[in-house]
Amino acid sequence: AQKVTQAQTEISVVEKEDVTLDCVYETRDTTYYLFWYKQPPSGELVFLIRRNSFDEQNEISGRYSWNFQKSTSSFNFTITASQVVDSAVYFCALSEGRGANSKLTFGKGITLSVRP
Amino acid sequence: KAGVTQTPRYLIKTRGQQVTLSCSPISGHRSVSWYQQTPGQGLQFLFEYFSETQRNKGNFPGRFSGRQFSNSRSEMNVSTLELGDSALYLCASSYLGLRSVYDNEQFFGPGTRLTVL
Repeated sequence: AQKVTQAQTEISVVEKEDVTLDCVYETRDTTYYLFWYKQPPSGELVFLIRRNSFDEQNEISGRYSWNFQKSTSSFNFTITASQVVDSAVYFCALSEGRGANSKLTFGKGITLSVRP
Repeated sequence: KAGVTQTPRYLIKTRGQQVTLSCSPISGHRSVSWYQQTPGQGLQFLFEYFSETQRNKGNFPGRFSGRQFSNSRSEMNVSTLELGDSALYLCASSYLGLRSVYDNEQFFGPGTRLTVL
């Protein structure tokens, strides 16, 4: 069965600091997808990034970057130069199987507070 | 493109009643999934509908049911409400096309906050 672990529960940083959110996953499938979502106080989950299991290339998109390592089953997410608007709950999620599978397994979430 | 819409946004019910929540996916999206979010259990998958058929189901009792219409709109129903059903219910839609494996990303609605008294 699939599982997503976000060991950090709450992180507090001062604006402009970099912050890394950790995510460790478990799956028996060789094909799977990993996601990060952000949930601001309004409640709506906002899609941030996606990675599939056959592409370990790490990328940077603006202030966001991610580090996907299959060897350690980790999919960490970094926000560079954090801003107050980044304050939210961040969820890591896993979807198994090839192609069309919508079931997401979420971690418990990390509450990020960015202080001015 | 309009996003995923859910109605109503807030709902208060009493134990034993039943409730129906509605979700309209992004235009062109064929898959609708439902999730329950509670402080204790976090985000849990309820079920997924694709082309009016339930394709996937989470580990919830039979009191939780859903359906999808030909226009991809979906409803979920909870019968005989219990206090523990108080939660934020989130709906997500995705295209799930066969053109690309990247069609499976899900877009979430604002949720319906259900309070059971």
